[in-house]
Amino acid sequence: RKEVEQDPGPFNVPEGATVAFNCTYSNSASQSFFWYRQDCRKEPKLLMSVYSSGNEDGRFTAQLNRASQYISLLIRDSKLSDSATYLCVVNHLRAGKSTFGDGTTLTVKP
Amino acid sequence: GAGVSQTPSNKVTEKGKYVELRCDPISGHTALYWYRQSLGQGPEFLIYFQGTGAADDSGLPNDRFFAVRPEGSVSTLKIQRTERGDSAVYLCASSLEPTSEQFFGPGTRLTVL
Repeated sequence: RKEVEQDPGPFNVPEGATVAFNCTYSNSASQSFFWYRQDCRKEPKLLMSVYSSGNEDGRFTAQLNRASQYISLLIRDSKLSDSATYLCVVNHLRAGKSTFGDGTTLTVKP
Repeated sequence: GAGVSQTPSNKVTEKGKYVELRCDPISGHTALYWYRQSLGQGPEFLIYFQGTGAADDSGLPNDRFFAVRPEGSVSTLKIQRTERGDSAVYLCASSLEPTSEQFFGPGTRLTVL
């Protein structure tokens, strides 16, 4: 079993749809959590950090459930430009080591 | 300001050869990371530097892989006796401090024939 698991998708949704991605992690000592976005043949870029209290940035909402070791990302009112792969990232207590999930691919269609 | 840069952008080599991949982090970033990414997978952690020292090298797959960061800035990932299975995109990232946002370079696409 992988340390960070994501549903690979692909998720194909129409513009304006709401879509949710889930991520589970197995290391209970994990300390910090992020969602990164990666466009095709490009490098990953930070989308948002994930806090225990949950956080929102415009159309994006991230949630963390430490008890269930589960992270989610909700995208509202999907845009064509949201089409990308979304990577869940978990940082360990042993500072510096980051474990990436294999990503969830989203395609938003007109 | 300038982001993370990596050279070369592409490297084609033959099985058994030695390669060096270079990473120039963002100025002032003390933490530097190397990952490799294969098609359809997320970046796989290789090694993390804090300053000049390798704080965590647990992701290096075997002793053919080695990385240095002698002056706490530029880093070089060295791969000896390359194998076809080493073919991947090698990504470098830097951050201001451990566990903060990582900024990635464009990667080096390594192909071992």
